[in-house]
Amino acid sequence: SQTIHQWPATLVQPVGSPLSLECTVEGTSNPNLYWYRQAAGRGLQLLFYSVGIGQISSEVPQNLSASRPQDRQFILSSKKLLLSDSGFYLCARRAGGGTDTQYFGPGTRLTVL
Amino acid sequence: GNSVTQMEGPVTLSEEAFLTINCTYTATGYPSLFWYVQYPGEGLQLLLKATKADDKGSNKGFEATYRKETTSFHLEKGSVQVSDSAVYFCALDPGGGADGLTFGKGTHLIIQP
Repeated sequence: SQTIHQWPATLVQPVGSPLSLECTVEGTSNPNLYWYRQAAGRGLQLLFYSVGIGQISSEVPQNLSASRPQDRQFILSSKKLLLSDSGFYLCARRAGGGTDTQYFGPGTRLTVL
Repeated sequence: GNSVTQMEGPVTLSEEAFLTINCTYTATGYPSLFWYVQYPGEGLQLLLKATKADDKGSNKGFEATYRKETTSFHLEKGSVQVSDSAVYFCALDPGGGADGLTFGKGTHLIIQP
């Protein structure tokens, strides 16, 4: 199976604290990986995507960064969280190819207080 | 740029009613179109997809037809159930391999017994 794991499932952090969210995928090699954020009233927004180890593309300027240290691992980070970083963070994968479908992980609920 | 517009709701129906959720899109080229469903507290699940004009995607009684002439991909179901209550997202994939999806804002569907 091509499973996507996200950790942690929920997180409550104070403003100004660091962040690290992890996404790992099973069952596929060299996937394209994606981070989306779902914020109240704003739908789903693509934050970052990666086509391989060490290759990161950012879609929007923001307080967050992403890294891909291993083929099946994608990490979302921040040095100092803002209130506006609260939301539901979803990791997705695409197996490869121009028309393959994106599949999503279970998500991480982040609340910044 | 690409965009997806869908009715936001909430849409409230009685069990066994007919469902239509409208979705229209703007894109260059020949995008693939998707409907995803999100149950409370969970990630997104692929419901159905269509990759070219006049294709019909179907799954679990839901259907949507890719209409290039009207740039639409409306979701329909003939008889809804309480278990269909969820948020439904229309999305497009512009193609080209690595691109992320462009989502509509989501439609909250509530089915009453």
